Amino acid sequence: AQTIHQWPVAEIKAVGSPLSLGCTIKGKSSPNLYWYWQATGGTLQQLFYSITVGQVESVVQLNLSASRPKDDQFILSTEKLLLSHSGFYLCAWSLAAEVFFGKGTRLTVV
Amino acid sequence: TQTVSQSDAHVTVFEGDSVELRCNYSYGGSIYLSWYIQHHGRGLQFLLKYYSGNPVVQGVNGFKAEFSKSDSSFHLRKASVHWSDSAVYFCAVSATGGNNKLTFGQGTVLSVIP
Repeated sequence: AQTIHQWPVAEIKAVGSPLSLGCTIKGKSSPNLYWYWQATGGTLQQLFYSITVGQVESVVQLNLSASRPKDDQFILSTEKLLLSHSGFYLCAWSLAAEVFFGKGTRLTVV
Repeated sequence: TQTVSQSDAHVTVFEGDSVELRCNYSYGGSIYLSWYIQHHGRGLQFLLKYYSGNPVVQGVNGFKAEFSKSDSSFHLRKASVHWSDSAVYFCAVSATGGNNKLTFGQGTVLSVIP
């Protein structure tokens, strides 16, 4: 069975500090991977997607970047956080139009 | 451009009642329609999806949804809700042949009173 693991579960970070969020998929070879962002009480917005190692496409520019260093790993990062980066970040993978989400990371920028 | 609209921000019902959560979409091409549930502070769980065939699709936990091309709708229904169904429900659309990018509606908060 496939599993998706996100870390950390929650972060409180200062404006201007760096950020790195991680996601690992186990049990699925060469998955399509995605990062979604959800503002508090809001809807979800796709940020990035990747179909293979080393290849990442940006969907929305939010002063964030993503990388896929391994087949089963997807990293979201920035060198300088903004207040507007606060929210809930969800990693996901897909199979035949069904998208499976991780448990998410709650980010609070202060 | 795909758009998804969930007209009801909040729906409140009593346990045992039936419920319908509405979803309307606009898109000119071939799409998948799906529903997801998000319990408070947690990730999303897939409920069901539609692509073609029988317009009524059955999902988990007694949920079902009906596709209507004429109304551009994909409403979610349950005949008898349980308090544990309280959550936020998101309708989503994705284009076939794309990167499975989901465009989500604004979400509907379902509150079930025991």
